[in-house]
Amino acid sequence: QLQLQESGPGLVKPSETLSLTCTVSGGSISSSSDYWGWIRQPPGKGLQWIGSIYYRGSTYYNPSLKSRSTISIDTSKNQFSLKVRSVTAADTAVYYCARPSGRGEMTTIDWGQGILVTVSS
Amino acid sequence: DVQMTQSPSSLSASVGDRVTITCRASQAIGNYLAWYQQKPGKVPKLLIYAASTLQSGVPSRFGGSGSGTDFTLTINSLQPEDVATYFCQKSNSALWTFGQGTKVEIK
Repeated sequence: QLQLQESGPGLVKPSETLSLTCTVSGGSISSSSDYWGWIRQPPGKGLQWIGSIYYRGSTYYNPSLKSRSTISIDTSKNQFSLKVRSVTAADTAVYYCARPSGRGEMTTIDWGQGILVTVSS
Repeated sequence: DVQMTQSPSSLSASVGDRVTITCRASQAIGNYLAWYQQKPGKVPKLLIYAASTLQSGVPSRFGGSGSGTDFTLTINSLQPEDVATYFCQKSNSALWTFGQGTKVEIK
């Protein structure tokens, strides 16, 4: 069964860059899904889609985060990554990597376990 | 971009009550809608997909309906273990969009 695991620093200083990696196990990142994505959830708040990347590299971003975010994919390592630049306390959140599961109307989301990233000096 | 508007943002009901949560899409999305339940500190759990199909293992008191722009999640006979936040999500593209969430509490 395909599994996703986020990794990266749990604490980032304001104005710096948040960098997270999602490692895919149990299958190939090139063939297990058409695309992969990142979602975040600030403490006590709702879910916010950050962006998605197709395995060939094309990307789509939430307009509210597009100017600061970059998603990339490394098929040789079976990983995809997220960078968010110039972070502030508002970027404190649990970050989930995820992938679509199923086809057509039956498409849902498979989630990683999530990683809490706190922005603080 | 398609926006998902979920209501109410919170509700309080008694054990055994029927609870209804609605989700409205700004454009028609067919049956491309999923509902998730999230308890504090946990990963969202899939309840309903394709607007009305119950995920395996989910209690039958949960039900989904709707198509196009208007969708409903119903909990028949609310149980204490149903205390959670519920989210709708459109699933028709790589641009995932979620409703704002509905926090369900026991009165």
